[in-house]
Amino acid sequence: DVVLTQTPVSLSVTLGDQASISCRSSQSLEYSDGYTYLEWYLQKPGQSPQLLIYGVSNRFSGVPDRFIGSGSGTDFTLKISRVEPEDLGVYYCFQATHDPYTFGAGTKLELK
Amino acid sequence: QVQLKETGPDLVQLTQTLSITCTVSGFSLTTYNVHWVRQPPGKGLEWMGAMWNGGGTDYNSAFKSRLSISRDTSKSQVFLKMNSLQTDDTAKYFCARSQPGSPYWYFDFWGPGTMVTVSS
Repeated sequence: DVVLTQTPVSLSVTLGDQASISCRSSQSLEYSDGYTYLEWYLQKPGQSPQLLIYGVSNRFSGVPDRFIGSGSGTDFTLKISRVEPEDLGVYYCFQATHDPYTFGAGTKLELK
Repeated sequence: QVQLKETGPDLVQLTQTLSITCTVSGFSLTTYNVHWVRQPPGKGLEWMGAMWNGGGTDYNSAFKSRLSISRDTSKSQVFLKMNSLQTDDTAKYFCARSQPGSPYWYFDFWGPGTMVTVSS
């Protein structure tokens, strides 16, 4: 199974700071069709996860442009510029290239 | 509007069978896919399996032959059934919708989840 390793495990930030989360895969996430099926989700406390980014860098409808996804192959990054209070929670990367589909273990974004 | 809602037991006895229903509204099960994802208390997310819009299923091999997913399109319901429950199956179980995929599919709507405790 594909293992997604997220770093850091937790990230303490001041509001307005930039935050960066890494997601490293044990195998390339580029599928045979040329697409890379890597997504990012945010789970706020007590809520269900919500989609932020799909296809490495495509923001889902309504997601602010301060969320930027990038990467290729096995290395991916989610950057959040100017962290706001509603950005706090646990971020998960998810790969839908190789079955079984897998999540990273999560990165908790909290206030310093 | 699009909604998903999981209903199931709060408590299941060790080695027994878990049955959860995901009732959806605002979309058709013959157009969109529905997945099951679980989350043990204080831990991360685990993809369990999917009911594809064409009626096929896909299962995470971690659940071997314990897991079964089915649907009733006339009732807009997707069912999860898992047998031989152990204490580490204690988790919140979510159903989530995914796009048909062209090419990307992703979980765009989630239910609130239902918490299931396996008791010895």
